[in-house]
Amino acid sequence: NAGVTQTPKFRVLKTGQSMTLLCAQDMNHEYMYWYRQDPGMGLRLIHYSVGEGTTAKGEVPDGYNVSRLKKQNFLLGLESAAPSQTSVYFCASRPGTGGYNSPLHFGNGTRLTVT
Amino acid sequence: GEDVEQSLFLSVREGDSSVINCTYTDSSSTYLYWYKQEPGAGLQLLTYIFSNMDMKQDQRLTVLLNKKDKHLSLRIADTQTGDSAIYFCALLTGGGNKLTFGTGTQLKVEL
Repeated sequence: NAGVTQTPKFRVLKTGQSMTLLCAQDMNHEYMYWYRQDPGMGLRLIHYSVGEGTTAKGEVPDGYNVSRLKKQNFLLGLESAAPSQTSVYFCASRPGTGGYNSPLHFGNGTRLTVT
Repeated sequence: GEDVEQSLFLSVREGDSSVINCTYTDSSSTYLYWYKQEPGAGLQLLTYIFSNMDMKQDQRLTVLLNKKDKHLSLRIADTQTGDSAIYFCALLTGGGNKLTFGTGTQLKVEL
């Protein structure tokens, strides 16, 4: 099993450009998440999904959109990138069942720089 | 929203014990977690504790929970250079749908 796979691993964008980050999981997990990690701020939740076809806003959703058309994929879109979106983005997933002690499984991150 | 705070840095000598602290504001969290992040990688779950417990021990790791003071700690016994990483506490929030992470503590183990 590959677990949680994020593509791309690195990307440099110019202000105003758009892009989509892809997260794929092969564990049949119900819940999927997008976080951003910034120095001294920990991980902040951008958007999440509790099942195929559903999405919800997290702590810092502005400037991002998401889609969960297939259970195994969770896409994060930046319509018009800004330098403030320079960050490391992590996708995570976890089962919907198994109780609250089911841990998050993380991808290895996407490092995005917006110039 | 939920505030989860940690010290940014901790430096210890190899063989000593490390104690990483976490304070939070939401008393309704049912599960509290510790994650480890090594350079260039995602986060991996180290251990977790249910809110009705005061302590949990797992080999070199001891988790202490003080619900009254809203304080969580992770003690690593006999700290090794391989323990150098960023450690995050996290709380289950949002009715069990979300994990809220702390700011992370970078642990440096010196010889």
